Amino acid sequence: QQQVKQSPQSLIVQKGGISIINCAYENTAFDYFPWYQQFPGKGPALLIAIRPDVSEKKEGRFTISFNKSAKQFSLHIMDSQPGDSATYFCAASMGNFNKFYFGSGTKLNVKP
Amino acid sequence: GAVVSQHPSWVICKSGTSVKIECRSLDFQATTMFWYRQFPKQSLMLMATSNEGSKATYEQGVEKDKFLINHASLTLSTLTVTSAHPEDSSFYICSARDPTALLNYGYTFGSGTRLTVV
Repeated sequence: QQQVKQSPQSLIVQKGGISIINCAYENTAFDYFPWYQQFPGKGPALLIAIRPDVSEKKEGRFTISFNKSAKQFSLHIMDSQPGDSATYFCAASMGNFNKFYFGSGTKLNVKP
Repeated sequence: GAVVSQHPSWVICKSGTSVKIECRSLDFQATTMFWYRQFPKQSLMLMATSNEGSKATYEQGVEKDKFLINHASLTLSTLTVTSAHPEDSSFYICSARDPTALLNYGYTFGSGTRLTVV
């Protein structure tokens, strides 16, 4: 059973546009929700993360929106650039010293 | 910031042989390390969790006798794929936790190892 569901599977956005990736979870014990960016042949790198006590977190062009009641969270990439083209994974974890459950990934292609 | 080095970055081995992958925390002591497996165009699947000085905890469906994990020191964890077969070909990624870091609970991922079994 997949703990975190992610959509869409792939996304094509024009340069300067907004990229939106969505994730949903079931386990209300999750208390940490990071987003990772992965380039081909590389390990994932942390992009931005949020805890359930806030509804939004913004870091530069990247924003996480969190809806606790709906058990959903999303990543918004403003002013998308070709260099943002990568695979993005949402994840969830509970407690400290614990493992992450990853979404299925979204391959983003930003066209110049 | 915390750096996790994974070696080798890619390896090709013959079917039936064993392959060892190393994961090192370069500037911190990692009390916990995780090993993931990623098939092409798929997500990361946790294989096992290792704590320094104790046995690894394997996820359901992962053969512990096939994927040997050793975390003998606070800076090194190894994953040995024993008697490798073509279906073991995958991208293996480790993650280590810096207990002194606040960001992201201190988890940093290695750059991954591409294993191809021929």
